[in-house]
Amino acid sequence: KNEVEQSPQNLTAQEGEFITINCSYSVGISALHWLQQHPGGGIVSLFMLSSGKKKHGRLIATINIQEKHSSLHITASHPRDSAVYICAVRGGSQGNLIFGKGTKLSVKP
Amino acid sequence: EAQVTQNPRYLITVTGKKLTVTCSQNMNHEYMSWYRQDPGLGLRQIYYSMNVEVTDKGDVPEGYKVSRKEKRNFPLILESPSPNQTSLYFCASSFGVYLDTGELFFGEGSRLTVL
Repeated sequence: KNEVEQSPQNLTAQEGEFITINCSYSVGISALHWLQQHPGGGIVSLFMLSSGKKKHGRLIATINIQEKHSSLHITASHPRDSAVYICAVRGGSQGNLIFGKGTKLSVKP
Repeated sequence: EAQVTQNPRYLITVTGKKLTVTCSQNMNHEYMSWYRQDPGLGLRQIYYSMNVEVTDKGDVPEGYKVSRKEKRNFPLILESPSPNQTSLYFCASSFGVYLDTGELFFGEGSRLTVL
């Protein structure tokens, strides 16, 4: 069993839809990252959180430590949001990062 | 411009020919790390460094070496590359590993093919 599971693996949405990507993990963590990988391959950091909720523009990330679950929400989705979204957790050894396999999002105009 | 620079971006080599992929950051970051990305497996951590002269194994360190002699550089060394090391490699850095310092900055990736 993978230590970090993301769902869904693939997601197709229409422009304007509200999108949710889920991440569940089975290990104790100090923090969780959400990353975005563009179609060209570059990776950027979206959020790092260890409790509660963070918001940046149309993106919202939440985490429930007790349930070992995090969600990434995109409001009013746009074709430029099309990318792979990756969840990663920092384990007990804080330098160590464990990744989910990613969720490929395609937003159609 | 703040950035993480990897070289080479693309490389085709042959089994057993030692190679080094360089990673350099200009943000005075203490934490640096290397990952490989393979289809169906996602990103996996190879090695990381919490500071100069401090390195630790990630999940897939076999066949790789690293060194951290200076803060800005964290080269990945493949002493005797094999075809199963064909992959897309990313370097990343951050100030630290805590919430206020842990935002990761990634290099553009290095696509390595070992024949």
